[in-house]
Amino acid sequence: QVQLQESGPGLVKPSGTLSLTCAVSGGSISSSNWWSWVRQPPGKGLEWIGEISHSENTNYNPSLKSRVTISLDKSKNQFSLNLSSVTAADTAVYYCARNAPGGWSLDYWGQGTLVTVSS
Amino acid sequence: EIVLTQSPGTLSLSPGERATLSCRASQSVSSSYLAWYQQKPGQAPRLLIYGASNRATGIPDRFSGSGSGTDFTLTISRLEPEDFAVYYCQQFGTSPNLYTFGRGTELEIK
Repeated sequence: QVQLQESGPGLVKPSGTLSLTCAVSGGSISSSNWWSWVRQPPGKGLEWIGEISHSENTNYNPSLKSRVTISLDKSKNQFSLNLSSVTAADTAVYYCARNAPGGWSLDYWGQGTLVTVSS
Repeated sequence: EIVLTQSPGTLSLSPGERATLSCRASQSVSSSYLAWYQQKPGQAPRLLIYGASNRATGIPDRFSGSGSGTDFTLTISRLEPEDFAVYYCQQFGTSPNLYTFGRGTELEIK
């Protein structure tokens, strides 16, 4: 059973960089899967941020592309999210997820971590 | 970018009743690219249906998905108390790769 766990600061200052890590257990991040980040502002819907493949190819949501970097650390079996120049609008619960084999849906999710952007 | 519109916004039903949730796409979507999720308060979304009609691992058979083109439906045949939650549809688009979600339908106990 694949498990994902997000970690990182719960508070980030405006104009700063949000950095989160997703630790994967029960499976190898080097397997033939893609791995995604999704966020959900309080009381609102889901927004896909981007994805990274086992071979470190990336795709980003065009609405966030200029500020997002997703990377992979195979030695630690984890992947990370960096979101720069954050504002209060980036306050959300951030989830990491596994893209289902064969693609096109997200079959395993972390529990999510709330990141608040505030001074 | 394809926009997904879910209706109704809120659906009030009683346990044992049948629930029908709609997801309409602004352009035609391949059935392979349409999924449904359930989210309960304070929890991560859970994949229910992928490929428009395939149940994910461990999902009870009272959940079913159908549809094609621009109109997709999630049906819960007989509501159990644990089914009251928010449901999201999601589609996958290419060039560039992009997952988009509908705004959700809240299924509440009547």
